[in-house]
Amino acid sequence: QSALTQPASVSGSPGQSITISCTGTSSDVGGYNYVSWYQQHPGKAPKLMIYDVSQRPSGVSNRFSGSKSGNTASLTISGLQAEDEADYYCSSFTSSSTFAFGGGTKLTVL
Amino acid sequence: EVQLVQSGAEVKKPGESLKISCKASGYSFTSYWIGWVRLMPGKGLEWMGIIHAGDSDTRYSPSFQGQVSISVDTSISTAYLQWSSLKASDTAMYFCARQGGFNYPYWGQGTLVTVSS
Repeated sequence: QSALTQPASVSGSPGQSITISCTGTSSDVGGYNYVSWYQQHPGKAPKLMIYDVSQRPSGVSNRFSGSKSGNTASLTISGLQAEDEADYYCSSFTSSSTFAFGGGTKLTVL
Repeated sequence: EVQLVQSGAEVKKPGESLKISCKASGYSFTSYWIGWVRLMPGKGLEWMGIIHAGDSDTRYSPSFQGQVSISVDTSISTAYLQWSSLKASDTAMYFCARQGGFNYPYWGQGTLVTVSS
């Protein structure tokens, strides 16, 4: 069982917006503003999309945004595109000075 | 340019030992933490542990403590993930990743480990 809980799958049509949730505890997501989100296409290495809850690395589209409320973080993708179809993982720093990933969410663009 | 280049795919038998590598370039190796992440077939990413390349301070996920060993060789800017006795359940893709703050912006290409009798 993953430390952080994500929905197994989400879907949306091109142009729509979707949100993926990531629920932890006060010992991880709720306790630190160190939530990050990764995109992984099959057979590829993960790619950092959001860090420190809502910061975007250089080169990542502004269609990707992050937020947090309490023990739940969220990734929103607006203006869905076919290339966004991938697995998405949240990650958080924890009170044990380690990190945890969520179980991953498969995004399908219909 | 930061690059992490991992060693090639491995096929091993249960009970054998293995050490896979992650060679870093393009930055000051000893200034950063490097982590290892597992991706089992059909499953999600799992954080295994990290090591600070400067002082070898190492932290493991409870799920992996005692199951693997993480080390570095600063003379060749390389991090390692090691098993003393592989199991079939260790079959997975393993990624190294360099930390930047409290996230992982740089990743290796992955090393596929297959353990089968």
